[in-house]
Order: sequence, then C-alpha cells, then structure tokens
Amino acid sequence: KQEVTQIPAALSVPEGENLVLNCSFTDSAIYNLQWFRQDPGKGLTSLLLIQSSQREQTSGRLNASLDKSSGRSTLYIAASQPGDSATYLCAVRDSGWGQNFVFGPGTRLSVLP
Amino acid sequence: EAQVTQNPRYLITVTGKKLTVTCSQNMNHEYMSWYRQDPGLGLRQIYYSMNVEVTDKGDVPEGYKVSRKEKRNFPLILESPSPNQTSLYFCASSNTGGEPYEQYFGPGTRLTVT
Repeated sequence: KQEVTQIPAALSVPEGENLVLNCSFTDSAIYNLQWFRQDPGKGLTSLLLIQSSQREQTSGRLNASLDKSSGRSTLYIAASQPGDSATYLCAVRDSGWGQNFVFGPGTRLSVLP
Repeated sequence: EAQVTQNPRYLITVTGKKLTVTCSQNMNHEYMSWYRQDPGLGLRQIYYSMNVEVTDKGDVPEGYKVSRKEKRNFPLILESPSPNQTSLYFCASSNTGGEPYEQYFGPGTRLTVT
C-alpha cells in the first residue's frame, strides 16, 4: 500500500531564505505527484503537478522535482515571503486500479518578517 | 471556469439526523472522490468513483454512503451522523483516460455533529 511521508513536519524561517520541503513515497508506480498549499481551515490550492515522465516543474518562485525511482520529490521555494506561510501537502496518484491519490501529512511553514 | 463545487460550506447538525453534502464538477471528469481532513490525521479518502454507477471504498468508508448517477455529481450521504464524523470534507475530481490526471478540489465543507 502506498505511503507518503513529508519532512520536516514544521519549519520556521526568516523572510528571504530559500527553502526545501521533502516528500517521499514507497511505491514508484505512480501517474504523477502534485504539490498543494493549504491555509488554516481553508481549501487546497494546487501549486505544481509533475507527471511520472517528468523530472521537474517550475512556477514563479516554486520549483518541484521528482525522482520516481528513489520515491522522492522536493519543493523548492526561493526568496520566501510571509505570505508563503501555510501547510504544504504532496500527493501521489497511483497507477493501479482506482488510481487513488495518497496524501502526505504536510509540512507547516512559517516565514517570519 | 473549471471548478468543483460543494454545498453546504458549513453545517451544524445533531446526532442521527441524515444529511447529504453535494458535490458537482463541470469538467466532464470520470473520477470523483471524497476526503475528510482531521488534525493530526491528514487527508483520508472516504469513497471514490471511477465513472457513473462505479463506486468503491477508500480508507475510511464506515458511516458514509455515496452514489454516482450522473457524471457531474457525487453526493456524500451520512445516514446517521455521529460526533466522530465532525470534520472538514473535500470533494475532488480528475480525468482518468490519460495525462494530466490532475486533481481538482472543492472548497470544503466543515461539518459539526453535536
């Protein structure tokens, strides 16, 4: 059964720092990996989607990489801002029957002014 | 605009009173799913549907029912809600026949059962 973990569970950094969030998954048979942002008590905002055939995706200050064979993805945030404070979730979509999405527990990020 | 809608957004109810949370998508997606999110437990899948009249249990299906009579709608039914079903619920949809398989989420329904 697919399991997704995220490290660290929480992170606090001063404004302006570059940072890396990590996501690991146990089964490499996936269609894609998706990174989301969630503000407290709110919905999920999709940030980046990486297909299994891709190595990375970029959007503005965000860059996500995928190493399917080792079961790892990283989300790189450049020049962090207080507005980046949120919980970041990664989710993989299995390629088996059901094509289910499995979420990691999230990394709670605080960017201090 | 491509979107997934859920109603109601907030609901307070009492134990045992049947309720339905509606979910609708306008992207002609085959796949739809329900999740619940609880502090410390993350997002867990309740039920999913691969297409009309095709539904299957996720990780935490107990106490819930679903139906998929139309492609765009996937209601979540709580026949006899209990306080342990107090949670934040999300509906999601996705295509299945080829890339991108991107998952789109509704805004969430916050349910409180007293």
